[in-house]
Amino acid sequence: KQEVTQIPAALSVPEGENLVLNCSFTDSAIYNLQWFRQDPGKGLTSLLLIQSSQREQTSGRLNASLDKSSGRSTLYIAASQPGDSATYLCAVRGGNQFYFGTGTSLTVIP
Amino acid sequence: NAGVMQNPRHLVRRRGQEARLRCSPMKGHSHVYWYRQLPEEGLKFMVYLQKENIIDESGMPKERFSAEFPKEGPSILRIQQVVRGDSAAYFCASSPGTAVIVEQYFGPGTRLTVT
Repeated sequence: KQEVTQIPAALSVPEGENLVLNCSFTDSAIYNLQWFRQDPGKGLTSLLLIQSSQREQTSGRLNASLDKSSGRSTLYIAASQPGDSATYLCAVRGGNQFYFGTGTSLTVIP
Repeated sequence: NAGVMQNPRHLVRRRGQEARLRCSPMKGHSHVYWYRQLPEEGLKFMVYLQKENIIDESGMPKERFSAEFPKEGPSILRIQQVVRGDSAAYFCASSPGTAVIVEQYFGPGTRLTVT
């Protein structure tokens, strides 16, 4: 059974810092990996989708990498802003469903 | 193009009542997924449906929970005889097809509170 872990559970950084969020998964037989952002009381906003054949994806200040063989992904956020404060979720697709981690709660301090 | 719609956004039920959660997928999407997010836990897959067909219900509790996606109208997640442990956020996602490379697009969720 796929298990997805995200470390750290919470992170607080000053505005302007670059940061890395980590995601690990136990079964490397995945189709793709998706990073989401969840604001308090809200739904999920898709940030980046990486197919299993890809190594990384970039969108603006975000860069996500995937190392399927080692079961790891990282989300890099450059020049963090207070508006980046949210919970970041990693999800891997195996079969019909996504398996989610419990998220990293990010606070960017102005 | 409207995104995935869920209603109601908040639902309060007393123990023993029924809860009906609705999900309208994005236009052109014929595949719907339901997930549950318990307090302090990650999202857990419940069920995957196509129009008039349940594809995978491996995450659904064996009793009291059912889901449908009729030919016309929204997908419905139904919880009978709710208990306090059913209090959670229920999210619906949709996708345009079965290809595993496609993204799932999530709705805003329905927050169910059982009193």
